[in-house]
Order: sequence, then structure tokens, then C-alpha cells
Amino acid sequence: KNEVEQSPQNLTAQEGEFITINCSYSVGISALHWLQQHPGGGIVSLFMLSSGKKKHGRLIATINIQEKHSSLHITASHPRDSAVYICAAPFMDSNYQLIWGAGTKLIIKP
Amino acid sequence: NAGVMQNPRHLVRRRGQEARLRCSPMKGHSHVYWYRQLPEEGLKFMVYLQKENIIDESGMPKERFSAEFPKEGPSILRIQQVVRGDSAAYFCASSPLLAGVSTGELFFGEGSRLTVL
Repeated sequence: KNEVEQSPQNLTAQEGEFITINCSYSVGISALHWLQQHPGGGIVSLFMLSSGKKKHGRLIATINIQEKHSSLHITASHPRDSAVYICAAPFMDSNYQLIWGAGTKLIIKP
Repeated sequence: NAGVMQNPRHLVRRRGQEARLRCSPMKGHSHVYWYRQLPEEGLKFMVYLQKENIIDESGMPKERFSAEFPKEGPSILRIQQVVRGDSAAYFCASSPLLAGVSTGELFFGEGSRLTVL
């Protein structure tokens, strides 16, 4: 069983839709990362959160430490949001060794 | 404030040649991490460096791979005698310190894509 699981694996939506990507983990962690990767592109760290909720522009990330679950939401989605979204949990409390989810490939159609 | 800078963005090498990948961390960051991403896979940690010091190289293959972060200049990931299996994207990240300890925030570069023919 993977220690970090994401769902869905693939998501296609129309521009403007509200997007939710889920991440469940089985390890005890102090913080969870959400990252974005465009095809052939770099990796952008979106959020690192250890409790509650964080918001940046149209992106919102929430985490429930007790339930070991986190969600990434995108409001008013846009084609430029199309990318792979990855959640990653620290490995054994490391700040830099991360257990990566498989990623969610998001396509937003105009 | 420039982000993490990696070069080259793309590198093609023939089997047996050497590959050198460079990473300049964000201004003010003194911790650098290298990761490797094989096609269709997630990032795998390779090595963690501070200036003139390797902190953790547990993810680095024992042979052919080395990394350094000199007092002056970028961090360098060096792969000797490359093989086809080394073809991957190599990402560098840096993190800020708070009271001398990494905050855990990771800022990634655009990656260097190595292709071994």
C-alpha cells in the first residue's frame, strides 16, 4: 500500500469549474507539500501546510492531521491550471526526503 | 529575487561521457537538495548539501555520482561514465533557514533534463 495516495489520477474539467484533488497518507507527518508540475517543466511548490487551511490566489489547501487527509482546491479554474499536481509527505520527519503521491493530471478545457 | 537557477536545461551525452549539472540556490539560501525524476515517476531524493559540506547523500548511487557545493559558485551534480539509465530530469531545490534550521519549504529549479544516447 502506498503511503501517500492521491485521487483522482486524471481529471478533466471545463474552464470555470471548481476543482478538488485529494491526498491521503498513512504515515504520521508534521507537514504536507502540494506541488505543481507542468509537462516538461519545472516544479513549483504551492503549499506546505501542517494544519488548517492556506489560500493563495485561486488555490486553497486544507489538511486534517487526525484524518490524515488533505485537499487542494482550485476555484474558477483556467486552462493555464492544467498541470500535474502532487502531494508529498516528509519521510520520517525529514524536511527534504519526501514520499511523493502519484500525481493528479489536471486538464482544464476552455 | 531570482529563483533557483539550474543549467543546463537540457543536456545530451553519449554513454561513457560525463555530465555536470549546476544549481544556484535562491539568494540567501545555503541548503541545496538534488532530486532525480525518472520518466513517469516521482522525485527521488539524492543528496543534501550545505556550503562545503555534504549533509546527507543517502539517496545518491554509490558509484559514478558525486555532488559538491563549494564556498563560491553553484552546487554541481556530476555523473561520470553515464549510462542510458541515467536519463532523467534532475531537480535542485533550496530552502531558507529560520534560526539556523531549514524551514522545510522547498523552492525548486526548472530542472536539467539529461538524455543519454
